[in-house]
Amino acid sequence: ETGVTQTPRHLVMGMTNKKSLKCEQHLGHNAMYWYKQSAKKPLELMFVYSLEERVENNSVPSRFSPECPNSSHLFLHLHTLQPEDSALYLCASSQEVDRGLGFEKLFFGSGTQLSVL
Amino acid sequence: AQTVTQSQPEMSVQEAETVTLSCTYDTSESDYYLFWYKQPPSRQMILVIRQEAYKQQNATENRFSVNFQKAAKSFSLKISDSQLGDAAMYFCAYRSRGQGGSEKLVFGKGTKLTVNP
Repeated sequence: ETGVTQTPRHLVMGMTNKKSLKCEQHLGHNAMYWYKQSAKKPLELMFVYSLEERVENNSVPSRFSPECPNSSHLFLHLHTLQPEDSALYLCASSQEVDRGLGFEKLFFGSGTQLSVL
Repeated sequence: AQTVTQSQPEMSVQEAETVTLSCTYDTSESDYYLFWYKQPPSRQMILVIRQEAYKQQNATENRFSVNFQKAAKSFSLKISDSQLGDAAMYFCAYRSRGQGGSEKLVFGKGTKLTVNP
């Protein structure tokens, strides 16, 4: 079992659908992240949760809504997406040593490949 | 803002040979972390190697080593005795040290490495 688990692995949805991506980490970390990976582009940080509090919202459209009910789980709720939102969505976690020192490394899940029709 | 540039979209190497992947970055900071991540077809990003900017000694992890040139802002990855399992996308990433709270990794666009038998 990997340390960070994402479901579903693949998702196809229409522009009017509502769906959710799920991420669970089994590493005891206190920070979780959503990244978007599009073809030919660098990974884009979307959201950061530290100690279950959202500390970063990187100018992401409101059709993406994150939720972090506890330190082990992270969701990304999707509604009225656009075809350009099709991408690989990666979840990651880390252990923040201290708010002033930050983490040492991120652990990633295998991602959800999202296709918006 | 920091940027990371990987100038080689694709590279190939013969099995058992050595290959070097290039990465340059732009920053005005003096203390930071640099990372190389590997993303195989399974899509899970895996940390390969990590370098702290204040350390002059180049990091090594078994067959993987870096050439860190701080003044030139260069951070190349050398893979020795290449194996078929090394075939993957390789991402160079930068992170500031000690920002506290939302820790961002800035990624390059990646280099696709093919290992030929």
